[in-house]
Amino acid sequence: DSGVTQTPKHLITATGQRVTLRCSPRSGDLSVYWYQQSLDQGLQFLIQYYNGEERAKGNILERFSAQQFPDLHSELNLSSLELGDSALYFCASSPRLEGRNTGELFFGEGSRLTVL
Amino acid sequence: GQSLEQPSEVTAVEGAIVQINCTYQTSGFYGLSWYQQHDGGAPTFLSYNALDGLEETGRFSSFLSRSDSYGYLLLQELQMKDSASYFCAVNQAGTALIFGKGTTLSVSS
Repeated sequence: DSGVTQTPKHLITATGQRVTLRCSPRSGDLSVYWYQQSLDQGLQFLIQYYNGEERAKGNILERFSAQQFPDLHSELNLSSLELGDSALYFCASSPRLEGRNTGELFFGEGSRLTVL
Repeated sequence: GQSLEQPSEVTAVEGAIVQINCTYQTSGFYGLSWYQQHDGGAPTFLSYNALDGLEETGRFSSFLSRSDSYGYLLLQELQMKDSASYFCAVNQAGTALIFGKGTTLSVSS
């Protein structure tokens, strides 16, 4: 158990809908990261937050948005869903900004999104 | 931008040694990480190299050559439970860890 909690574990929805994925980082970790993993694909970096502020953006679509709240939990909002958005969405946390740590992220178990 | 290359699949038998290579192109490089992911599960951290050389952790070792933009993960005394996907990831300035597409390791008896 990494200490990172993600909900929901599974989600099935229809095209055009909007969903919110939630992540609680490890206690004390200030950085939260969101990654997308499609079938047989690597982990695609979406966005990073540090202590409530956006720190880095990856290949995140304009239909997607995220935020980190004062209690450090984070939410990833996916809207106008398309079939291709079906994927595993992972949240990870680390205690410090990248580049000043040991390259170790702690991943949650992921939220599996299926868009029908 | 950045790119990472690693083999898509590797097969081996129990007790053998296998090496998974990773080459990368990036700027502002800090280090190279390795992660293991069992089918559909959470990726878990294996090792990190910030400096050239070999880091050993039990049956797993990781190597980095910064001048060659190259690293590898060495798995010894392979066990069936080592069957998984292995990802290299670059730690670089200005962004989060960027992962390669992963190498699927199949260990047979």
